Amino acid sequence: GENVEQHPSTLSVQEGDSAVIKCTYSDSASNYFPWYKQELGKRPQLIIDIRSNVGEKKDQRIAVTLNKTAKHFSLHITETQPEDSAVYFCAASKYGNKLVFGAGTILRVKS
Amino acid sequence: GAVVSQHPSWVICKSGTSVKIECRSLDFQATTMFWYRQFPKQSLMLMATSNEGSKATYEQGVEKDKFLINHASLTLSTLTVTSAHPEDSSFYICSAGFLDRGSEQYFGPGTRLTVT
Repeated sequence: GENVEQHPSTLSVQEGDSAVIKCTYSDSASNYFPWYKQELGKRPQLIIDIRSNVGEKKDQRIAVTLNKTAKHFSLHITETQPEDSAVYFCAASKYGNKLVFGAGTILRVKS
Repeated sequence: GAVVSQHPSWVICKSGTSVKIECRSLDFQATTMFWYRQFPKQSLMLMATSNEGSKATYEQGVEKDKFLINHASLTLSTLTVTSAHPEDSSFYICSAGFLDRGSEQYFGPGTRLTVT
């Protein structure tokens, strides 16, 4: 089955700097790659997603890139702000199938 | 759109009792609902997938007789933790999706279960 690895497990950045979180997946048939932000005790919130027919997607300060050949995808957050501090999860899925989550990255933005 | 609710948001129960958690899709009909468990500082672990009107599919290592899932309608799924023990204390989150939107899932707010 699908296996998703996520790095780093923790990331500290200075406010205004960029943050990059990387994930690799094992199943070449996976075609949907969402990123979630989760604050303590709350539900995961979808912040951006990408499908396998696209190499990059951007939404304001957030972007995701996908390399299907290498089977990895990355989350890029620019101009980080203290409110970006949270746990971020990547996930992978095949059409209509369950999501397989990465282990999560604790992002701390220092002001 | 695509709002999912859960009830209760938190519950404390005594060891040996059963607890039922409800998951509702409020403004859409979900063909599939998923149940996850999340321990502190860990990722979401899928417990089971349920489709309306059929038996749930449990992930390896999840006891189907302990975690009873019922998906009686396109807007409601329930998870019953039977004979709860302290090690079942966790954050339980449901999500709902529908096949014509591929793999997108919409998460409920979660239920914090504490077994004493």
